[in-house]
Amino acid sequence: ETGVTQTPRHLVMGMTNKKSLKCEQHLGHNAMYWYKQSAKKPLELMFVYNFKEQTENNSVPSRFSPECPNSSHLFLHLHTLQPEDSALYLCASSLDGGAVYEQYFGPGTRLTVT
Amino acid sequence: DQQVKQNSPSLSVQEGRISILNCDYTNSMFDYFLWYKKYPAEGPTFLISISSIKDKNEDGRFTVFLNKSAKHLSLHIVPSQPGDSAVYFCAASVGSGGGADGLTFGKGTHLIIQP
Repeated sequence: ETGVTQTPRHLVMGMTNKKSLKCEQHLGHNAMYWYKQSAKKPLELMFVYNFKEQTENNSVPSRFSPECPNSSHLFLHLHTLQPEDSALYLCASSLDGGAVYEQYFGPGTRLTVT
Repeated sequence: DQQVKQNSPSLSVQEGRISILNCDYTNSMFDYFLWYKKYPAEGPTFLISISSIKDKNEDGRFTVFLNKSAKHLSLHIVPSQPGDSAVYFCAASVGSGGGADGLTFGKGTHLIIQP
């Protein structure tokens, strides 16, 4: 596997369920991100991890709980979500410390909350 | 309150012609700008970037222009090819490197290249 992978690609869950989204990067990067894209809205930054430490939480509700056990893996734990949380969740990674950086995105997880 | 705006949801251009995608921003702290391209069922892929110390950056068929005084940037694609049909996102960041900074995105412009 190369690049940034995300599993599952599609997820349907009820409001009382608990599920987790997984992201893995094979690029040797040390910063990872979660973004949310709702219908007709721009991608919105949710969380930033730099060297496994959370450096940014963009006022995200506590029903979303990120976890970064190492620089290659990032999880988003979901519990008691609302229908308005249905969206495309994108993971990205980048190399911190470079003079020029770009974020590399995974294909996303399409989440539907029923 | 959107800090990065792409006011054209879609743009149709004939193959071989120039495609011009526009982006405006409001946050004067932004100092690094990027364009991403997205195909259906895939994540966005980095296309080209520009630092605020420059006004132009060119990479093959793609050129990005930055007008800081107008808080405006544009992406030129010439000549346009069928494979360029995709959604293009403008993104901006406070901080051009040396740190993990989240990006602020526009809503995207769907570019359609007609044969």
